[in-house]
Amino acid sequence: AQSVTQLDSHVSVSEGTPVLLRCNYSSSYSPSLFWYVQHPNKGLQLLLKYTSAATLVKGINGFEAEFKKSETSFHLTKPSAHMSDAAEYFCVVKNNNAGNMLTFGGGTRLMVKP
Amino acid sequence: DAGVTQSPTHLIKTRGQQVTLRCSPKSGHDTVSWYQQALGQGPQFIFQYYEEEERQRGNFPDRFSGHQFPNYSSELNVNALLLGDSALYLCASSLQGARRAFFGQGTRLTVV
Repeated sequence: AQSVTQLDSHVSVSEGTPVLLRCNYSSSYSPSLFWYVQHPNKGLQLLLKYTSAATLVKGINGFEAEFKKSETSFHLTKPSAHMSDAAEYFCVVKNNNAGNMLTFGGGTRLMVKP
Repeated sequence: DAGVTQSPTHLIKTRGQQVTLRCSPKSGHDTVSWYQQALGQGPQFIFQYYEEEERQRGNFPDRFSGHQFPNYSSELNVNALLLGDSALYLCASSLQGARRAFFGQGTRLTVV
């Protein structure tokens, strides 16, 4: 079984300040982990993925995430928020021994204040 | 190269009716998965099709069924619609065994 917990349903930051979106996962097997972003009325866009290579993963638009197996965490960070980063973010786990099924967290809504 | 396309984009149905949603996968992809995203929640896995067969299924009742065609496109059918079926339905395509899925923009179903 696998599950994902996004620890904050809403995060509000000022433009130009750092972003931290927290994610903890549970998986019986070696997982792949992803962060997706969903802008209003748009589909899900992949930000980055961890697939058992480097534990620090760089994604698009300046986002990064670090896989910490001992803490079962995969937190998403960005040094400086832009107004265009305001969106819903989903942490996702895939059990590599159980097909292509993705398990999503509940989402974190990021708000960026000017 | 077209990505994943879904139709229709919006749909309104009455309780008890049946609905069919359609998905064309990204070119070259052979696997289609369907997800339900209720308002304010993360997407939940409904089922996955590969080689025209349902390969994996999430915790959804039999009212939810699907089909995959030889050209890899897919349909999601929902019978006896309930108000709680109102959601954004997302289709994702991938290559079997690949780690990345590509999502369509979804079909927003409203049941009244």
